[in-house]
Amino acid sequence: SQELEQSPQSLIVQEGKNLTINCTSSKTLYGLYWYKQKYGEGLIFLMMLQKGGEEKSHEKITAKLDEKKQQSSLHITASQPSHAGIYLCGALNAGGTSYGKLTFGQGTILTVHP
Amino acid sequence: SAVISQKPSRDICQRGTSLTIQCQVDSQVTMMFWYRQQPGQSLTLIATANQGSEATYESGFVIDKFPISRPNLTFSTLTVSNMSPEDSSIYLCSVPGRGKGYTFGSGTRLTVV
Repeated sequence: SQELEQSPQSLIVQEGKNLTINCTSSKTLYGLYWYKQKYGEGLIFLMMLQKGGEEKSHEKITAKLDEKKQQSSLHITASQPSHAGIYLCGALNAGGTSYGKLTFGQGTILTVHP
Repeated sequence: SAVISQKPSRDICQRGTSLTIQCQVDSQVTMMFWYRQQPGQSLTLIATANQGSEATYESGFVIDKFPISRPNLTFSTLTVSNMSPEDSSIYLCSVPGRGKGYTFGSGTRLTVV
């Protein structure tokens, strides 16, 4: 089965600083999703990456998928307290009985100090 | 993308009782997924709910403990049966988002005492 490892597990930054969260897969990624979760709440979709070398940006958040499609990074520029939360990467399982299922990394807890 | 209404948002239950969680989607979807998020942990898939057939459970989850209903293409329920404190978690439903990521419900925060 596919496994995702996120690093770091937690991150504390000062407002205005840049930061990067990594997500490494044990298998080739067919679809990689980034979500943000506020404590105790549901997941907010950020971005989806499918192609090797793909890069997407939304506001101050940029996500990339490497050419080999086994690693993704999420970069936040000039962080703000509103960026605080848990960031989760999720991998779409390919074909067979696993089709459509997402496997998640363990999450990265981001704290942004004003 | 789809909008999901999940209820209840939270509940505190006595051990040995059962709780049914509902998810209503604003559009028809073939597949619905139920996840569990234990305290401080990531999401783990419980089962896939397909309309017109029995749910497919992941390893470690059984129908007697987590019965699922899927009466139509917009609605599903997950029941947590004979609860124990170990069942205290956030439970979330999810549907495919048509190329815009999977949409998740707002979650049900369950505490078993």
